[in-house]
Amino acid sequence: AIHLTQSPSSLSASVGDRVTITCRASQGIANALAWYQQRPGKVPKLLIYDASRLGSGVPSRFSGSGSGTEFTLTISGLQPEDFATYYCEKYYGFPLIFGGGTKVEIK
Amino acid sequence: QVQLVESGGGVVQPEMSLRLSCAASGFTFSNYGMHWVRQAPDKGLEWVAVISYDGDKKFYEDSVKGRFILSRDNSKNMVYLQMNSLRAEDTAVYYCGKDVRTEAAAIEKWGQGTLVTVSS
Repeated sequence: AIHLTQSPSSLSASVGDRVTITCRASQGIANALAWYQQRPGKVPKLLIYDASRLGSGVPSRFSGSGSGTEFTLTISGLQPEDFATYYCEKYYGFPLIFGGGTKVEIK
Repeated sequence: QVQLVESGGGVVQPEMSLRLSCAASGFTFSNYGMHWVRQAPDKGLEWVAVISYDGDKKFYEDSVKGRFILSRDNSKNMVYLQMNSLRAEDTAVYYCGKDVRTEAAAIEKWGQGTLVTVSS
């Protein structure tokens, strides 16, 4: 089975910072990768799919890149509402797999 | 707007069964794949199963294969997850999700979730 490794598992950042989260797949998954945001006590929200396509209504400060085995979520100019946990998910083949999550906390 | 409303969660003893339902509205239901994803208390997300837009294809996570059965009724805009032989490790919030496409890709809309607790 394909495994996803997210890094870091947590990070501290300040409002306005540029934040980068990485997701590595154990095998190539083309561009079949999504990123989700989950605020505490809330439902997950789709940010990016097909590795780089912005979800509906998602602010342009979020961007995704990569293909094959290495993917990146970038938040350009962290906002107070961005403090949350972020998950990657691969949907190349079955089962679909989520990464372990990256918790973004306030510095 | 797209709405997904789960129901059917509750407390159940090990080895018992439970059926979750998800009522969809605000989109052409029969055009999209539908997922179930779960989240154990204070844990990460775990994909459970997906059903294609027409119900012909169903895929399951290994730990629920043979115990959970996914179905949909496109005439009622409903998707169902029949959960049999429940185990303590199935305890989680179960989310219903709408795919961006017809079968299995990203989950672009999530319901509020329904809590399933398996305990004696």
